Formats: sequence, C-alpha cells, structure tokens
Amino acid sequence: DSGVTQTPKHLITATGQRVTLRCSPRSGDLSVYWYQQSLDQGLQFLIQYYNGEERAKGNILERFSAQQFPDLHSELNLSSLELGDSALYFCASSVTADSYEQYFGPGTRLTVT
Amino acid sequence: GQSLEQPSEVTAVEGAIVQINCTYQTSGFYGLSWYQQHDGGAPTFLSYNALDGLEETGRFSSFLSRSDSYGYLLLQELQMKDSASYFCAVRDPPYSSASKIIFGSGTRLSIRP
Repeated sequence: DSGVTQTPKHLITATGQRVTLRCSPRSGDLSVYWYQQSLDQGLQFLIQYYNGEERAKGNILERFSAQQFPDLHSELNLSSLELGDSALYFCASSVTADSYEQYFGPGTRLTVT
Repeated sequence: GQSLEQPSEVTAVEGAIVQINCTYQTSGFYGLSWYQQHDGGAPTFLSYNALDGLEETGRFSSFLSRSDSYGYLLLQELQMKDSASYFCAVRDPPYSSASKIIFGSGTRLSIRP
C-alpha cells in the first residue's frame, strides 16, 4: 500500500458524459501527478500540481482539467468523454515538486461505452 | 525534449539474472529512475541513479553511464513474482522548475520456470 488513495476504483460511463476522479496523496506529500495508461501502453503524463498550484503540464486534452485543493487532495475532471478515453488513470504523489520517487495510487479504470 | 528506448519484451528463467536496458536522448540530464508494474497494478518505484555507477538494493541493481546515455536494471535470482513490466524514466526538461517525468514504453519481463 503506497498510501495514495484513488476513488472510484472502476467507472463505467457513456460517451459525452463527464466524470471526476479523486486522489488523496500520501501524508506529507505536496505534489500530485496524474497519468493515463491505455491498454498495453506506457504511462502518459497529464498534469502535476504542487501545493495547490499547477506545476507542469503534459499532453492533457482541453476536455480534461484538474485541480489540487487546500487539503492537497486532487481531482481530475474528464468531460465530453470519447471511447478513446477508456484507460487506467493513475494519481501519484511525491514530497517535493521535482522528486524522482513517486508513489502511485491503485488507479481508476475508466470504461467509456 | 527527451526520449527513452527500452526493449519491449525480455524472457528469462527462474533463478537466473536478467538485464533490462534503457537508452536516452537528451539535451540535458538529471537522473534515471526505474519503476515496476505488475499486470493490473500500480507502478512501484524501484531505484534512481543521478551519478555514474551501480546502485544496489537487494536483488535489484541499477546502473548508469552518463557518457553513454545508457542505464540498465539488473535483476538477480529471478523469481516468478518478478514477472512484470519495467519502466525507465527521466525528467523533461531537466533543470526546469516545471519538468515532468517521462516514462519509457516499458519492458515486459516474463519468467519461465
């Protein structure tokens, strides 16, 4: 158990819908990262927050947005969902903004039908 | 930007030693890290090399040669539970306050009895 929690574990929704994925980092970690992993694919970095502020941005679609709240938990919002958005979404946390050692949550498996 | 290359698949025998290579192309370099991911599971941090040489952690070791832009993960006394995907990762861009971790496409290690 990494100490990072993600909810929900599974999510099934229809195209065009909007969902919110939630992440709570390890106690003491200030940085949160979001990754997308499609079937048999590598990890694609989406976005990073550090202490409530956006820190780095990857190939995140405009339909996707995220934020980190004062209690450091983070939410990833996915809207106008398409079939291709079906994937595992991981949240990770680290103590500092530039740490190489990240702790990953169990992931949320999103299925868009 | 940076790119990482690693073999897509490696097969080894239980009890043996296996090496998983990673080469990177970069305009700067900050360090190389390794993660393990079992099927359906979350990535787990294994090691990080910032300087040349070998870092040993139990049965796993990681090596870095900055002059050759090359690193490897060495797994000894292979066990069936080591069957997993292994990812190398670097920061992109290096030396930036907004750098993000870029993961390689992963090497799927299969262990035979």
